[in-house]
Amino acid sequence: GENVEQHPSTLSVQEGDSAVIKCTYSDSASNYFPWYKQELGKRPQLIIDIRSNVGEKKDQRIAVTLNKTAKHFSLHITETQPEDSAVYFCAASPFNDYKLSFGAGTTVTVRA
Amino acid sequence: DAGITQSPRHKVTETGTPVTLRCHQTENHRYMYWYRQDPGHGLRLIHYSYGVKDTDKGEVSDGYSVSRSKTEDFLLTLESATSSQTSVYFCATKISNEQFFGPGTRLTVL
Repeated sequence: GENVEQHPSTLSVQEGDSAVIKCTYSDSASNYFPWYKQELGKRPQLIIDIRSNVGEKKDQRIAVTLNKTAKHFSLHITETQPEDSAVYFCAASPFNDYKLSFGAGTTVTVRA
Repeated sequence: DAGITQSPRHKVTETGTPVTLRCHQTENHRYMYWYRQDPGHGLRLIHYSYGVKDTDKGEVSDGYSVSRSKTEDFLLTLESATSSQTSVYFCATKISNEQFFGPGTRLTVL
């Protein structure tokens, strides 16, 4: 099955700086890569996703890049704000598979 | 929230007792999932369902069983709870590729 590794496990950034989280996957058949944000005590929620037919996707201050050859993808958060403090999970899924395989998560802390 | 609720939201039980967690959805989604979340492990799939009476195992299914007799309900049962099953349990449904999560159930096994 798919194995997703996520780094770093914790990340502390100064407000206004950028944050980058990286994930690698093992199954070359994976073609859907979502990112979830989980605030303390809340449910995970999708913030952005990318499919393997594109290399980059942006939504305001967040962006995701995908390198299919190297089998890794990254989340970029620019101009970080206190409300970006949360746990972020990457995930991967092969085409038409019902299941997502999740990374272990990154705890992001934005320092004021 | 894709109309997903979980019950109970919190439960404390003793080792060896049976426990059933309920996931209820109002949107008639075909796919439903049960995950457990533990520090350092992210979200791990326990079981999933792709229709009424159609279920399959995930990566951490030992000690758990599921049932889906109606589209809207997906039940997770711990036949004999153990301390290693202390965790936060999330149910999810799927629309296209996106999964929507329920609010979670915090289970403590003493």
